[in-house]
Formats: sequence, structure tokens, C-alpha cells
Amino acid sequence: DGGITQSPKYLFRKEGQNVTLSCEQNLNHDAMYWYRQDPGQGLRLIYYSQIVNDFQKGDIAEGYSVSREKKESFPLTVTSAQKNPTAFYLCASSGGGYQPQHFGDGTRLSIL
Amino acid sequence: SQQGEEDPQALSIQEGENATMNCSYKTSINNLQWYRQNSGRGLVHLILIRSNEREKHSGRLRVTLDTSKKSSSLLITASRAADTASYFCATDRINQGAQKLVFGQGTRLTINP
Repeated sequence: DGGITQSPKYLFRKEGQNVTLSCEQNLNHDAMYWYRQDPGQGLRLIYYSQIVNDFQKGDIAEGYSVSREKKESFPLTVTSAQKNPTAFYLCASSGGGYQPQHFGDGTRLSIL
Repeated sequence: SQQGEEDPQALSIQEGENATMNCSYKTSINNLQWYRQNSGRGLVHLILIRSNEREKHSGRLRVTLDTSKKSSSLLITASRAADTASYFCATDRINQGAQKLVFGQGTRLTINP
């Protein structure tokens, strides 16, 4: 079945460590997105990409980095510069234009 | 930036009753979308209403949009226990190029059996 796969489901980060969250889609979508969700809150946009080898900062990009080397993949790295990384991270994709976004089941990141 | 504000923050009703959630936003939009999120899961798209539409239906869902008041409502009729979830509105801002959605903080809906 077509969809978005995020891994791992749970991730723990040590002080000073970078961690990478995986997002893979087989929907043949051009656009992909990363969101952060804090408890009881809505989603905030971290980065997005409309095409391979191109991506743009969202509203809260500081402390994060991304790459888009393949259409299917849009990994997110949470760097040590992100001082408050504990959150639920959601990846989404869309077919462009005004098509709705399809979401993965998220990665919950915690600090050790 | 959080453009959407949802009301109420939490809603608890009996199974079979109707549930109404409201969303207000600040700037002009291309469209407004509603999503559902079950606990610990990703979001699922429910319905999209364009800025030139006033009402849209999908099964037990009815969405209205009033662009003059910058507000929308989601009505779920004949609620079921499986409707228990958080519901988010998301606005697609005009002149932002890519589809950059701005989400509200959500309404947490509980359906009691």
C-alpha cells in the first residue's frame, strides 16, 4: 500500500548528539514536509521541500537540518544546537498544488 | 506562527450526539483543511474547503467557511466512539508559494458510550 513510513517510532538523544529521523514515501509526491508537535499543541513547520535537491526553512528551522537527495526520502537531523528537542515529529507529503497532505505516524524524540 | 485558533479546546459528548468545532484565522487563505489525529498517530485528512466555497459535506462531516469572518466550523453528526480524537484546522496561506499549512491547536473530542 502507498504511504509514508517514519522511523524509528521512539528515539532518545544524549547531550551534544545529533540524531536523524527517517521519512520515506512511495506516493510519488513531489512535496515533503517536517513538522514538530508539542504536547497539546498544533503542528509547526520545520522544513519543506518541493523538489529533489531543494528545500526551504519553515517557521522553526533553527537547530534542524534536512536533505532531499531522492524523491522518496526526506530525512531530518536534530542537531545539538536544538536545545529543546523533546517533541513528536511528523513527516508529510503532498502531490503539490492544493492537494491534502498525507502524514506518517511520527517519531517521538526524548532526551536521555 | 499559529494562525488558527480552535474552539473549544476540549469537547465531551454522548455517542449519537452532534459535535461542532470552530476555527478562526487571521490572514487571507487559498483553502482551509480539517485533519483528525488519533492519540500517538499521524494526522488524517478529512476535508478541504476552498476560499470560494461556503459549505461542504463528506459523509457525516459538514464544514462551513465564512471568509468575511475568517472562520470555519466542522460538524460531526451522529457521533461514534471511533470519532474520539483531536481535530485540527489548517489554513493554506495565499501567496506563500508552496502549500505551507498553518495548524490550529486543535480540539480534543471525546465520545462517551
